[in-house]
Amino acid sequence: ETGVTQSPTHLIKTRGQQVTLRCSSQSGHNTVSWYQQALGQGPQFIFQYYREEENGRGNFPPRFSGLQFPNYSSELNVNALELDDSALYLCASSPGTGFYEQYFGPGTRLTVT
Amino acid sequence: GESVGLHLPTLSVQEGDNSIINCAYSNSASDYFIWYKQESGKGPQFIIDIRSNMDKRQGQRVTVLLNKTVKHLSLQIAATQPGDSAVYFCAENSGGYQKVTFGTGTKLQVIP
Repeated sequence: ETGVTQSPTHLIKTRGQQVTLRCSSQSGHNTVSWYQQALGQGPQFIFQYYREEENGRGNFPPRFSGLQFPNYSSELNVNALELDDSALYLCASSPGTGFYEQYFGPGTRLTVT
Repeated sequence: GESVGLHLPTLSVQEGDNSIINCAYSNSASDYFIWYKQESGKGPQFIIDIRSNMDKRQGQRVTVLLNKTVKHLSLQIAATQPGDSAVYFCAENSGGYQKVTFGTGTKLQVIP
């Protein structure tokens, strides 16, 4: 186990709704990255938070947003859900933004109907 | 748990044999490469990494080879075991903020 936890494990939402996913980073880690993994594909980088600030973003629209809290836990928010948002959402924590090993959580499986 | 192995290239290996998983990357500016293992229902697990100033790195039962000339990365697993069955991803990082780009993955099946 990596010490990174995510909640909820599974979630079903309807198109157009909003969702919030949560991640608790490993103790001592100040950096959290979020990834989207569609079935049968590799994870795609959404964004990274470092010390409560967004520190980089992949090719995702603004309806994907996030937060990082003083304890370094993080939230991923997705507004106006679309069917294509159905995926496994992974968060990964690391002790910094350089070439550090990232520790992944088990993910949240989101289904949009 | 959900399957991450659908529609992926599959490598079938006899238990005890060596496995070689290959990966081509596209960004010549990438300077850090990582191999991850993902089992069904779990997040990716770090296996081994290599910086662009190296061409080989060894871990416990695993070796990563990097050929920058042809932008190719490989993962060698010695004496493959049933517990090695999983999907393996190579990933590259060209940004200081860890924007890690994953490849499409290879499913490794170990035949007992």
